[in-house]
Amino acid sequence: DTGVSQDPRHKITKRGQNVTFRCDPISEHNRLYWYRQTLGQGPEFLTYFQNEAQLEKSRLLSDRFSAERPKGSFSTLEIQRTEQGDSAMYLCASSASQGSPYNEQFFGPGTRLTVL
Amino acid sequence: KQEVTQIPAALSVPEGENLVLNCSFTDSAIYNLQWFRQDPGKGLTSLLLIQSSQREQTSGRLNASLDKSSGRSTLYIAASQPGDSATYLCAGSYNFNKFYFGSGTKLNVKP
Repeated sequence: DTGVSQDPRHKITKRGQNVTFRCDPISEHNRLYWYRQTLGQGPEFLTYFQNEAQLEKSRLLSDRFSAERPKGSFSTLEIQRTEQGDSAMYLCASSASQGSPYNEQFFGPGTRLTVL
Repeated sequence: KQEVTQIPAALSVPEGENLVLNCSFTDSAIYNLQWFRQDPGKGLTSLLLIQSSQREQTSGRLNASLDKSSGRSTLYIAASQPGDSATYLCAGSYNFNKFYFGSGTKLNVKP
């Protein structure tokens, strides 16, 4: 399977703990996105990488959130000092800056975070 | 501020009906419009992407159109089947850096 993969699929943590999620994009895709989705809502943009450069961050991404894509391949999203309001599905997507259709996003299965 | 709205929020139809899902956006300078399907508790599956230079795209029983001047996109599903039951999301982008999503239309196709 050469789709987008995310790990873990589920994470339960206690308030105040730190968590880290990983995303492996489709191998030839140079663009990578993180989104957050709560029940009954569409995904909300968090941050975007082109290769290893983080080019855009949402105001939703407080200083407790940090994302990296160190070698322009996989990415990690870390949440420090988790709060109950962080409970959501965290989705990763990737796309290519070349080819057709141009910039079509492909999503991973998501990581469901529950903060107790 | 770019906003994407989807109407209706939920739709229930008998099997075999043709149906239309609507998506509207506030900024007509849209670059891409992409339709997705999401099954409960799962990630998003890409259905169709329409670039700004295009007016429609077709895949099997699905047809998506884009009218930038009116700020609207529609997803047409022909001969609906129970397996089409899912939430359908549209998302627009104005550059390559982010997509703005609607809240989705939850479709139930009854056997």
